[in-house]
Formats: sequence, structure tokens, C-alpha cells
Amino acid sequence: DQQVKQNSPSLSVQEGRISILNCDYTNSMFDYFLWYKKYPAEGPTFLISISSIKDKNEDGRFTVFLNKSAKHLSLHIVPSQPGDSAVYFCAASVRGQNFVFGPGTRLSVLP
Amino acid sequence: EAGVTQSPTHLIKTRGQQATLRCSPISGHTSVYWYQQALGLGLQFLLWYDEGEERNRGNFPPRFSGRQFPNYSSELNVNALELEDSALYLCASSLYSGLVSGELFFGEGSRLTVL
Repeated sequence: DQQVKQNSPSLSVQEGRISILNCDYTNSMFDYFLWYKKYPAEGPTFLISISSIKDKNEDGRFTVFLNKSAKHLSLHIVPSQPGDSAVYFCAASVRGQNFVFGPGTRLSVLP
Repeated sequence: EAGVTQSPTHLIKTRGQQATLRCSPISGHTSVYWYQQALGLGLQFLLWYDEGEERNRGNFPPRFSGRQFPNYSSELNVNALELEDSALYLCASSLYSGLVSGELFFGEGSRLTVL
């Protein structure tokens, strides 16, 4: 039973356009969500997080939106850059415990 | 400040052997998580240690075990290795306050190959 889902295994976007990565979860107890970026042969690096008391968090080119009623969150990257090409993982936790990761979405930003 | 460090970087074993992977968390972090990333798959949760105790484990057989030492470093042991254990093993640390912890900080991973 996959509690965190990322239904798009891959996404291609033109440089300068917006990238939208989606994530759905099933456990309504999740209250803290994070996005990680991973390059091949490296550990994931933290991008941005959001608490369930918010519906939006912004950090530079990265914005995460949370829709609790739909159990859905999304990561927006604008403008997309070639260096953003990586695998993006969505993660969720209950009070900062047991971080559950989605399967990842491979983003390719085309020059 | 040093990040999460893992050793060895690469490890090659044969079926039936045992593998030991090590992780040093960021100074001040008390929680250590272990994840497995098999080729083409996402991060599968293995184990979570905090303050020396195992807090939770994922859906893995008992031959996957570990421990956390008083200095908060951690060890992951995989016994009776099978071919499908070949994967990147990632360790992450966080500052767990008991209520909410911050984000996880990952190491570079240990690549285990089972022949």
C-alpha cells in the first residue's frame, strides 16, 4: 500500500517554462511534507517543505502548494533551468516521524 | 559543519555473505534513518533510530538490522545477502525534538552490489 504517490514517472519541460510536479497521499494523519531533489549517485537534497497548517510555501523559484482536502501537493519550479534536471521525491510524515517517500518523478529541462 | 557521512562508498559481496554499512549523522542530530533505493525504484524506508533506540522499521525481513551508538552514529547490517539486496543504501539524519523534526539530511549513500 503506497501512502505517497507520484503518478508521473517522468516530465519534460522547456527551459524557462514552469515545471509542475504532483504528489498524492492517502494517510490523512500526514502533517509535514517535503520535496527532495536527487542527482544520480548522490544523496537526495532538501528543497522545500510545508506544514499542514499552510497551503503554500515559497522559496525563490520553488513553490509548494498543499490541498489537504484533496490530499494533494505540488511543486512548481519557475522558471525551469537545465540544472533542475533530476529526480524529485515527495515525502510526508506525521509530526516529523517516519518520513515516507514517493517513487519520484524524473524531470528533464530541455534547453 | 560536516554533513552526513557514510562508509563504505561501494561494497561488493557474494550471496550469503553479510554486509555492514556505517553512518555518522550531522553533529547534534539524534535521529538516523536508513533507506534502500534499488535500481529504478524510489526510496524504501528501512529503519529509524533515535536516542539509541529503534523507533520503527519498514517492511523488510529480519536479516536487515541495525543499531545506533551512544554518539548517534549508526550501523546497518544485512545478513544472508541476496541478489536483490543490491541497491544504494542511504542514511539520513535529523534533529528529532519528539514533536516535530526538521528535514532529513542525506549522505551520499553506500552502493552495495551482491554477486
